[in-house]
Amino acid sequence: QEQLVQSGAEVQRPGASVKVSCKTSGFTFTGYFIHWVRQAPGQGLEWMGWINLNSGHTTYAQTFKGRVTLTRDTSMNTAFMELSNLQSDDTAMYYCARESRGRLDPWGQGTLVTVSS
Amino acid sequence: DIQMTQSPSSLSASVGDRVTITCRASQTIDTYLNWYQQRPGKAPELLIYAASSLHTGVPSRFSGSGSGTDFTLTISSLQPEDFATYYCQQNYNPPITFGQGTRLDIK
Repeated sequence: QEQLVQSGAEVQRPGASVKVSCKTSGFTFTGYFIHWVRQAPGQGLEWMGWINLNSGHTTYAQTFKGRVTLTRDTSMNTAFMELSNLQSDDTAMYYCARESRGRLDPWGQGTLVTVSS
Repeated sequence: DIQMTQSPSSLSASVGDRVTITCRASQTIDTYLNWYQQRPGKAPELLIYAASSLHTGVPSRFSGSGSGTDFTLTISSLQPEDFATYYCQQNYNPPITFGQGTRLDIK
């Protein structure tokens, strides 16, 4: 069963960083891309970037360039998203999703990141 | 970036109704268009890929059509579990972009 399982909810202070993990199973890790998408409360889906799980090459949305870092650990079959200099408007659900031929499937269950002083 | 515009933004319908949601791209995207369903409190799930191909396990009451800039998602006979938010997404040119979503409520 192809599955993505994300790390648990986080509460961070403004200015801090957060690192979310996305553990994969049921497929060949290095054969795919992982995308990260966030969803602010009551809002739509916003693409953040992707990582080639084989090469480690990344592409980031302009909105997040300089603040987001995507990495992966092939020994753990896990992808990571780190977002720095958090502000209150970064409070959102963060999702990882596997890309295959342009389709995002499956998705992780989501990680709620709350930024609050 | 390619802008994706869905209409309507929200829709009320009854069980058994036929419903159509549209998605328009700001430039041609051939058939590089996917549809997702998001139920409250859950992650999005793939419904339709390449504009008209049904993802594995998705009921046949869902269908997609279109190419170029104009696309539709149709649900032929609404079931209770279909009340959710639907998003279109283009993967023709990076960055991938989503429509703003269409919320489908029970009338």
